[in-house]
Amino acid sequence: DTAVSQTPKYLVTQMGNDKSIKCEQNLGHDTMYWYKQDSKKFLKIMFSYNNKELIINETVPNRFSPKSPDKAHLNLHINSLELGDSAVYFCASSLQPNQPQHFGDGTRLSIL
Amino acid sequence: GESVGLHLPTLSVQEGDNSIINCAYSNSASDYFIWYKQESGKGPQFIIDIRSNMDKRQGQRVTVLLNKTVKHLSLQIAATQPGDSAVYFCAENLGGGGADGLTFGKGTHLIIQP
Repeated sequence: DTAVSQTPKYLVTQMGNDKSIKCEQNLGHDTMYWYKQDSKKFLKIMFSYNNKELIINETVPNRFSPKSPDKAHLNLHINSLELGDSAVYFCASSLQPNQPQHFGDGTRLSIL
Repeated sequence: GESVGLHLPTLSVQEGDNSIINCAYSNSASDYFIWYKQESGKGPQFIIDIRSNMDKRQGQRVTVLLNKTVKHLSLQIAATQPGDSAVYFCAENLGGGGADGLTFGKGTHLIIQP
């Protein structure tokens, strides 16, 4: 199936740990994104990545770093996890910026 | 702060009736708007989009209306079905080519009553 897929679906870990979330899209899209959805369902852009250009939302702590090994992948690395990082993280992609974005099913991160 | 908002957090409608979900945005530079549907445990699913050079666009059972004068966006769902139960988000792109992602509103939970 063509889709945006994220792994893992659930991630439970302790404060202070470093973790990664993987994202792959086989839609042939040029732009990929990471969003954070909090407990009140509010979705906020974290990063967008297009043609090796990374645009970072200024409110995102530098403990978060996206890494793109190729156009089909945009992984999210998080260092020194904090309680406030608990949320659902969504990866998305679009053919070009300013076109419909297709979302993965999310990774629920819980910090103990 | 966020520039896209919704008037109602919850909307309850009878099965078979039409649903109208409203959204207000504050940035007049926004040139692209999307409606998403999110079911429990899933990612947002694209429903319909509209660009700022249009005021209406229709899809299958859905219509999006854009009123740039009052910065208002609405989603109309015809003959609402149980499968339409979800949280609906409007989102805008703030112009500049779109590479900085979408700004989402808070969401409206659509509840379908039998």
